[in-house]
Amino acid sequence: EPEVTQTPSHQVTQMGQEVILRCVPISNHLYFYWYRQILGQKVEFLVSFYNNEISEKSEIFDDQFSVERPDGSNFTLKIRSTKLEDSAMYFCASTEGSGANVLTFGAGSRLTVL
Amino acid sequence: AQSVTQLDSQVPVFEEAPVELRCNYSSSVSVYLFWYVQYPNQGLQLLLKYLSGSTLVKGINGFEAEFNKSQTSFHLRKPSVHISDTAEYFCAVSEKGGYNKLIFGAGTRLAVHP
Repeated sequence: EPEVTQTPSHQVTQMGQEVILRCVPISNHLYFYWYRQILGQKVEFLVSFYNNEISEKSEIFDDQFSVERPDGSNFTLKIRSTKLEDSAMYFCASTEGSGANVLTFGAGSRLTVL
Repeated sequence: AQSVTQLDSQVPVFEEAPVELRCNYSSSVSVYLFWYVQYPNQGLQLLLKYLSGSTLVKGINGFEAEFNKSQTSFHLRKPSVHISDTAEYFCAVSEKGGYNKLIFGAGTRLAVHP
């Protein structure tokens, strides 16, 4: 069964550093998403991406964050100048189309900011 | 805007007992409804979904859920739970005709005891 692959599975970084989380969505999917889950809290929407541009973003997704699909297969989330409160599990997801389509999630990347 | 309320943060239950995990939602537009499961240290796995048609939907691992439009509920049930069902369960909604953005509830931790 096709999978969404995320790397790294766990990253530890110092406060103020830049982090890039990588995702390889399912190959024929067109819509891509990032979510985050702070430990013990709900899963929160960050951003959706379609046709090489952001289609929607939450208020969490401020100028500190950016997304990119650099090469037609990877979908990256960049976090500039990380803060302690950025520590969370970050999930990538993809889906084939709009409408009644189900998101397939990756296993997540755990980010720990010290 | 949509919101999801999961009324129970934790549900302890004995093995082979029935269980119901409650979910209510709020939305000004029509929505699709989902239940996802998260096993310890893993990503989100789709249990079942309601898109249209029959209000009783069956999912994986013997789970089912019933969509009740008048009560804006989508409760998850299983007639007999196993130890292996111990996990976090998330109810989620997405707007019909939207970009499949999922709004999650806070989650219910199901703890099955022998």
